[in-house]
Amino acid sequence: SQTIHQWPATLVQPVGSPLSLECTVEGTSNPNLYWYRQAAGRGLQLLFYSVGIGQISSEVPQNLSASRPQDRQFILSSKKLLLSDSGFYLCAWSVGEKLFFGSGTQLSVL
Amino acid sequence: GIQVEQSPPDLILQEGANSTLRCNFSDSVNNLQWFHQNPWGQLINLFYIPSGTKQNGRLSATTVATERYSLLYISSSQTTDSGVYFCAVVGNSGYSTLTFGKGTMLLVSP
Repeated sequence: SQTIHQWPATLVQPVGSPLSLECTVEGTSNPNLYWYRQAAGRGLQLLFYSVGIGQISSEVPQNLSASRPQDRQFILSSKKLLLSDSGFYLCAWSVGEKLFFGSGTQLSVL
Repeated sequence: GIQVEQSPPDLILQEGANSTLRCNFSDSVNNLQWFHQNPWGQLINLFYIPSGTKQNGRLSATTVATERYSLLYISSSQTTDSGVYFCAVVGNSGYSTLTFGKGTMLLVSP
C-alpha cells in the first residue's frame, strides 16, 4: 500500500534562517506531489505542485521554493524565513483522482 | 476561479446525534472530495464523489452536480468525529488542482 512520510513534525526556526522540509511517497510511481500551507483559521492554500521530476508549478509567489529531485521526493525550501512563513505545512500526493496527505509539519518562525 | 462555500462554519453536537454538512460550488466540477482533519492535524480522505451517493459506515455523501452542491451526512456521531471537514473541488474550466472550502469545524461532546 502507499504511504507518505513527512518530517519533521514540528520545527522552530529564527527569522532569516533557511528551511528544508522533505516529503517522500512509497508504494506508487509517478505520483503528482503537492505542498499546502494551512494558517490559523483553517484554510488550505496550495503552494506548489509537481507532475514529474524537475517539474514544479508555483501557485503563490512568495518566499518559498520547491524541488523534486526524485520521482517520489518533494522538498520545500526557503533561503531566509519570514515571520509570515509560520504555519502548518502539508505534503500530499495523488495518482488518479484522490488526494492523500502527509501528517504535516508545524513551523514556527520566531 | 471556482468558489467553494461550506456551511455551517461551526457545529456542536451531543454524541449520538446526526448532522449534515453542506458544500456549495460556483461552477460545474469533475472532481469533488471530502476530507476530515482530526484535532492532531491529520487530513483523511473520506470520499471522492463528483456525483451520486456513497456510504462508508456512519458517513455518507451525496453530490448533486447539476445543482452545484454536495452533502456529507454523519449519523450517530462519536467524539472521534470531531475535527474539521473540508470539501474540495476541481472545476471543469480553469484550474486542474483542488480548490478547498474553509471547512466546517465539528465538536462532538460526550
